[in-house]
Amino acid sequence: DAGVIQSPRHEVTEMGQEVTLRCKPISGHDYLFWYRQTMMRGLELLIYFNNNVPIDDSGMPEDRFSAKMPNASFSTLKIQPSEPRDSAVYFCASSFSVASAYFGPGTRLLVL
Amino acid sequence: GDSVTQMEGPVTLSEEAFLTINCTYTATGYPSLFWYVQYPGEGLQLLLKATKADDKGSNKGFEATYRKETTSFHLEKGSVQVSDSAVYFCALSAGGGADGLTFGKGTHLIIQP
Repeated sequence: DAGVIQSPRHEVTEMGQEVTLRCKPISGHDYLFWYRQTMMRGLELLIYFNNNVPIDDSGMPEDRFSAKMPNASFSTLKIQPSEPRDSAVYFCASSFSVASAYFGPGTRLLVL
Repeated sequence: GDSVTQMEGPVTLSEEAFLTINCTYTATGYPSLFWYVQYPGEGLQLLLKATKADDKGSNKGFEATYRKETTSFHLEKGSVQVSDSAVYFCALSAGGGADGLTFGKGTHLIIQP
């Protein structure tokens, strides 16, 4: 398996623009997680899905953030409108049941 | 809520030195404990884990023991290499990983030849 795939790997955008981050989990995994990493706050869990259903989105910072998982092989994290403080590395991870999570390489987002 | 505290770095050691990175946690119940490693420009990789008290996780010469009495999960390695230079994260999960991970801030380890 190719592992968790994220795209794009790098994104530079201007404040106010919409940003969409994409994730393809490992085939067969039933959990998908979105994390954000910043120097100030470290790694934070934003939202996670089980069998494509959002289970806990309490980590989503505000209404500008939304995440979807339309099927077992694809998820998106959208920021609209983006702000400079959203600049971070966003990681997607997947796991099978209670097994350990596998992380993707991350999307490095810079909002100017 | 759940939290993880780990020593902040950077930690700088010479090659072949003994490594300890301290990690303590606060959680209700009996969480699973993990160490992840992040190499520059990459995502996190699971290094080792332990799911119950007194379990010892080990991998690539690293090991950590789940100590319920001291709520700790310290990472150790007997002889570090330059290739071990990375950021190490201690993490816990109340649901064995299924409910997401709570991470410590990370410890940047630098090994000098």
